Amino acid sequence: GAVVSQHPSRVICKSGTSVKIECRSLDFQATTMFWYRQFPKKSLMLMATSNEGSKATYEQGVEKDKFLINHASLTLSTLTVTSAHPEDSSFYICSARDPGGILADTQYFGPGTRLTVL
Amino acid sequence: DQQVKQNSPSLSVQEGRISILNCDYTNSMFDYFLWYKKYPAEGPTFLISISSIKDKNEDGRFTVFLNKSAKHLSLHIVPSQPGDSAVYFCAATSSYDKVIFGPGTSLSVIP
Repeated sequence: GAVVSQHPSRVICKSGTSVKIECRSLDFQATTMFWYRQFPKKSLMLMATSNEGSKATYEQGVEKDKFLINHASLTLSTLTVTSAHPEDSSFYICSARDPGGILADTQYFGPGTRLTVL
Repeated sequence: DQQVKQNSPSLSVQEGRISILNCDYTNSMFDYFLWYKKYPAEGPTFLISISSIKDKNEDGRFTVFLNKSAKHLSLHIVPSQPGDSAVYFCAATSSYDKVIFGPGTSLSVIP
């Protein structure tokens, strides 16, 4: 089955530093990847849609200069949290759309990255 | 290898009838399971969960059943309503940390 990996799984950083999170589709090419942030009560908030070779589309209220997304290849998207603050501490999850999936919206989720900003 | 599987990509049910969405997992370390509902162009929203110490959890029209020996859980929706039409993701976690999602099942409730 399709697999999506995320690296790192956990990261602790100091306030003001930048953190990069990688999302990879391991056995399929994903032209579209999504970045989510998990909030209390377990709901996931869509932050942005990442399309290979073009600029990411950010959801309303998400600062594009703070959450930099790069989709450099068909198997890799990166999310960089710039000048991190404690309120950025959260669980970040990516998903990748499988163009060969049966559903138009077949998405495979990564295992998530726990970011803690001190 | 996928640790959480949803083998039915789609399901159609008549309004008022029961919808049953199935999910299988392979990792015996999972101790908490969640169901999410996702509408197009929106992020998944949490629906219902169950701890591995239980075999059933009910919330209104939604009931989740867990069979640990079979590593299988199911979500029952009764009665199904057209507004339930969405993609449903099964997810599992151990120690409330990494959440592993299944690929989703698209439910269509026909009026």
